[in-house]
Amino acid sequence: GAVVSQHPSRVICKSGTSVKIECRSLDFQATTMFWYRQFPKKSLMLMATSNEGSKATYEQGVEKDKFLINHASLTLSTLTVTSAHPEDSSFYICSASSDLPGAYEQYFGPGTRLTVT
Amino acid sequence: AQSVAQPEDQVNVAEGNPLTVKCTYSVSGNPYLFWYVQYPNRGLQFLLKYITGDNLVKGSYGFEAEFNKSQTSFHLKKPSALVSDSALYFCAVRVTGGGNKLTFGTGTQLKVEL
Repeated sequence: GAVVSQHPSRVICKSGTSVKIECRSLDFQATTMFWYRQFPKKSLMLMATSNEGSKATYEQGVEKDKFLINHASLTLSTLTVTSAHPEDSSFYICSASSDLPGAYEQYFGPGTRLTVT
Repeated sequence: AQSVAQPEDQVNVAEGNPLTVKCTYSVSGNPYLFWYVQYPNRGLQFLLKYITGDNLVKGSYGFEAEFNKSQTSFHLKKPSALVSDSALYFCAVRVTGGGNKLTFGTGTQLKVEL
C-alpha cells in the first residue's frame, strides 16, 4: 500500500508555544489529506480536510485559527497547533488519498503524540 | 447522513479460533466500506474495502469481510486468530458526496489470548 509519513512522531512543548506537524505522502500524489485527533481508546475525530492548493475545510467545532492547515503540494500537508495548551495534548494522525480511479481508501501516517506542558 | 456502528467495545478470542468483529452501517446509496487496524501508538493500516462486486472481500493478513446488503452489515472475519492480531479495529464508510472522506465506527478492541 501507499506510504504516508508524519514528523515528528513525538513532541513536547510548553503552553503558549506553537507546534508544526508534517504529513507527507511518499509514493503517490495526495490530492486530499485529512487530519484527525484521537483520544485514548477512542475513535478518530476528523478535524479538517485539505485539498492541494485550497483552503482546508474544518469540521464543526474545530477552531481554524488554532489548528492551521496548509496543503501546499501534492505530497505535503502541515498542521500547526498555535498557542498550544495542555488540553491540546493528543495523538494527531494524518491520512492521504488520491483521486485516481478506484482509489477510495485513505492511507494513514503513523501519528504524532503531542504533549503540552 | 451515513453512520457506522461497531456494537462491541471488545472481543476476546483464543488463538487458533475464528474471529468476527461486527460492523453495521447506514448510508444512502451504494456503500463504500472499509476496515482498518490500529496497533498501539501507531496510525491506522488499511485492511480491506468493499466497493462493488463479490460480497466476500479478502484483505491483508488473512482477514476477510462479508458485505450483507439486507442486514446492512460488513463483519470482519478471520478463520484462525493469532495473538499478533490483537489490536484496535475500525470499520468505516465513505461519506456520500464527500470525496474520500470517511465516517468511522467507535472501534473494537480485539484481544487474542493463548
